[in-house]
Amino acid sequence: DAMVIQNPRYQVTQFGKPVTLSCSQTLNHNVMYWYQQKSSQAPKLLFHYYDKDFNNEADTPDNFQSRRPNTSFCFLDIRSPGLGDAAMYLCATSRAPRLALQETQYFGPGTRLLVL
Amino acid sequence: QKEVEQNSGPLSVPEGAIASLNCTYSDRGSQSFFWYRQYSGKSPELIMFIYSNGDKEDGRFTAQLNKASQYVSLLIRDSQPSDSATYLCAVFPSGYSTLTFGKGTMLLVSP
Repeated sequence: DAMVIQNPRYQVTQFGKPVTLSCSQTLNHNVMYWYQQKSSQAPKLLFHYYDKDFNNEADTPDNFQSRRPNTSFCFLDIRSPGLGDAAMYLCATSRAPRLALQETQYFGPGTRLLVL
Repeated sequence: QKEVEQNSGPLSVPEGAIASLNCTYSDRGSQSFFWYRQYSGKSPELIMFIYSNGDKEDGRFTAQLNKASQYVSLLIRDSQPSDSATYLCAVFPSGYSTLTFGKGTMLLVSP
């Protein structure tokens, strides 16, 4: 089945210790997104890739970086995690932005990050 | 600032009742509207989309859109305890290529 896969599902890291979260997709979608979601809050878009073009949201901290080495994979790097970065990190994909009115995003299962 | 507003709830309904979830949006030029369901600790799952004024039905779910009032709703008929989740409204504002999400409404369906 075509899908969006995130690894690991749970990640525990120490304050200030770099961490990398992984997302892969078998949908062959052009766009991959990273969201941060904290309890009882809306998903917050961090950045997205349209093919190899990187689009950073204006309020995404520099502490967050991303890499997309190929169509299938995208990584989220948190260079120095703080306690406030504990959240669910969601990867999503879409065929292309706004190709058609019904085009939307499909989410992976998420990675829950805990910072000690 | 493109905003999507939802009542955080919880909205409590008995099993078998109709649950009505509401969403308003600030950008009058928005064209596409989506409802996602999110179970606790899980990722959002798409359940409906709508882009024309009026109603769109899919099984027990009906999405309603009123662009003049900048209002979109989701009705769930014959609510089941398994419908208990947070429902996120998402909108494509005009000129934007990414979705704007509301904070979601928690729905609790009691047996």
